[in-house]
Amino acid sequence: EVHLVESGGGWVQPGGSLRLSCEASGFTFSTSSMNWVRQAPGKGLEWVSYITGSSTTIFYADSVKGRFTISRDNAKNSLYLHMDSLRVEDTAVYYCARDPGWLQPSNFDFRGQGTLVTVSS
Amino acid sequence: DIQMTQSPSSLSASVGDGVTITCRASQSITTYLNWYQQKPGKAPKLLIYAVSSLESEVPSRFSGSGSGTDFTLTISSLQPEDFAIYYCQQSYSVPPTFGGGTKVEIK
Repeated sequence: EVHLVESGGGWVQPGGSLRLSCEASGFTFSTSSMNWVRQAPGKGLEWVSYITGSSTTIFYADSVKGRFTISRDNAKNSLYLHMDSLRVEDTAVYYCARDPGWLQPSNFDFRGQGTLVTVSS
Repeated sequence: DIQMTQSPSSLSASVGDGVTITCRASQSITTYLNWYQQKPGKAPKLLIYAVSSLESEVPSRFSGSGSGTDFTLTISSLQPEDFAIYYCQQSYSVPPTFGGGTKVEIK
């Protein structure tokens, strides 16, 4: 069974940094594209970033480009999101999601509980 | 970016009712349209991909249709577990974008 466990969220002041992790199991992680998708409190879904299995293709939403970095360690079955220069508007639950797309984001298989990031002074 | 507009934003219905949710794209997305269900405090769940393909274990009372810019999600006979928020999402181009959601509530 597919499992995704997100961690690393917490409270941080504006301008601060945080690194989120997503540990995967139940599927061949190294060949799977992955995404981060976020949801601000009481709001809808917003795609954040995408990475292919070999890390050769990466995309970011304009709202996070230049501040967030997606990466993965296939030996550890883990996906990461390093977030710098955090803003109040980055406050959200962050979900990792498996993606069948080989070249660009396709659809999202959410199998975790998400991790809450709160940016506030 | 492609804008996705859902209607209605909310609806009230009774168990056993048929329900239709509409999703409109700001430009043609051919058949690159997916639907998700989200219950309170839970992660979204993929229901339908590529307009009309049901994800495994999704009940057959859910169906999708459409192409180009106009799409629908239909629930043929609402069950108690179907009360949730539904989102459409286009995967035609980057960035993938979501509709604002449709909340299905109990009448």
